[in-house]
Amino acid sequence: GAGVSQSPSNKVTEKGKDVELRCDPISGHTALYWYRQSLGQGLEFLIYFQGNSAPDKSGLPSDRFSAERTGGSVSTLTIQRTQQEDSAVYLCASSSLPAGETQYFGPGTRLLVL
Amino acid sequence: AQSVTQLGSHVSVSEGALVLLRCNYSSSVPPYLFWYVQYPNQGLQLLLKYTSAATLVKGINGFEAEFKKSETSFHLTKPSAHMSDAAEYFCAVSGLNFGNEKLTFGTGTRLTIIP
Repeated sequence: GAGVSQSPSNKVTEKGKDVELRCDPISGHTALYWYRQSLGQGLEFLIYFQGNSAPDKSGLPSDRFSAERTGGSVSTLTIQRTQQEDSAVYLCASSSLPAGETQYFGPGTRLLVL
Repeated sequence: AQSVTQLGSHVSVSEGALVLLRCNYSSSVPPYLFWYVQYPNQGLQLLLKYTSAATLVKGINGFEAEFKKSETSFHLTKPSAHMSDAAEYFCAVSGLNFGNEKLTFGTGTRLTIIP
């Protein structure tokens, strides 16, 4: 079956512009995660969706970042008014419950803010 | 709070030699522990995981790791390195409690294989 897919694979934008990053999780996976990988910060958690529960947004670095998950499947991470420090690889992962289940990662979206 | 420490940001071993990548964790609850590998320009791939069953865990590509509670360690080993093992390796921890499944990663170890 298909794995986690993300689009676009690469995105170059100008400072101040908004960007949307998309994640298609593995079918049937109820949990979806966004992580960010950058040279300065390593791999860091951003946000977590589980079923119909309120998302865990504790990792979002600022109010310029938001995410939604429609219909319990596809998720979009939106970064408003992008800054150069937002340049990173954004990784999406999905898993099934219970806790401890493997998180399967997509290939990531490489974002460059000029 | 959970955290992971990976000793050695860069490790080099000769082809055929033992690979040892170190990981120590800190967790207030019994943890789940994972090792992921990342090849250049790719996402993360699970090597193995510990979820409170056997303390010696075998994974893909000949890797294994041993959970040692007394040492709060989960070191990754492979008896004989191959050139294809060159990649970056991440140790990660998640909690047992519902709603705490997010992974906390170490800073990664880049493994270089010397021919």
